[in-house]
Amino acid sequence: EVQLVQSGAEVKKPGESLKISCKGSGYSFTSYWIGWVRQMPGKGLEWMGIIYPGDSDTRYSPSFQGQVTISADKSISTAYLQWSSLKASDTAMYYCVRHVRLWPFDYWGQGTLVTVSS
Amino acid sequence: EIVLTQSPGTLSLSPGERATLSCRASQSVSSSYLAWYQQKPGQAPRLLIYGASSRATGIPDRFSGSGSGTDFTLTISRLEPEDFAVYYCQQYGSSASLTFGGGTKVEIK
Repeated sequence: EVQLVQSGAEVKKPGESLKISCKGSGYSFTSYWIGWVRQMPGKGLEWMGIIYPGDSDTRYSPSFQGQVTISADKSISTAYLQWSSLKASDTAMYYCVRHVRLWPFDYWGQGTLVTVSS
Repeated sequence: EIVLTQSPGTLSLSPGERATLSCRASQSVSSSYLAWYQQKPGQAPRLLIYGASSRATGIPDRFSGSGSGTDFTLTISRLEPEDFAVYYCQQYGSSASLTFGGGTKVEIK
């Protein structure tokens, strides 16, 4: 069974750093892209970027380029989304997704809620 | 980057009625690489339709997708209570740009 299991909810202060994770199982982790999707409170879905764990090829949405870093450790089938300096506006639910070229997001993680507040 | 515009923002209907949701792209979506997702409160989205008109595994046949080029439609033939949710379209013709529409909320009238 394909599963994407994300790390737990986080509460941080502005200016702090954060790295959240997404562990894939039940499929060949290095053969699919892993993407990240943001959903701000009461708002829609925003695609942030994707990484191909096989070779670490990474693509970012222009809206998120330079704002976050996506990485992966294929040895433990885990992808990451990190911030170096959080802002209150980063408060959102973040989902990881599985993707293959020319195919939609067929599996979603359960989401990680990030709250940034002073 | 392709921009997807969904309409209406909210659709107020009764169970048993037909729902018609629209997704318009700012430029042609290649080979109909257009998907629809359903999201219920407190849940992750789930894939409903891919390739503009193919139902994902386990999706009831009351859900159907149509369209090509820049205009796409999701139709729910007879709304069941569990269908009241938010629906998003997404284009996936390029892994460099996997944009979503703004969503349509289908609410109980």
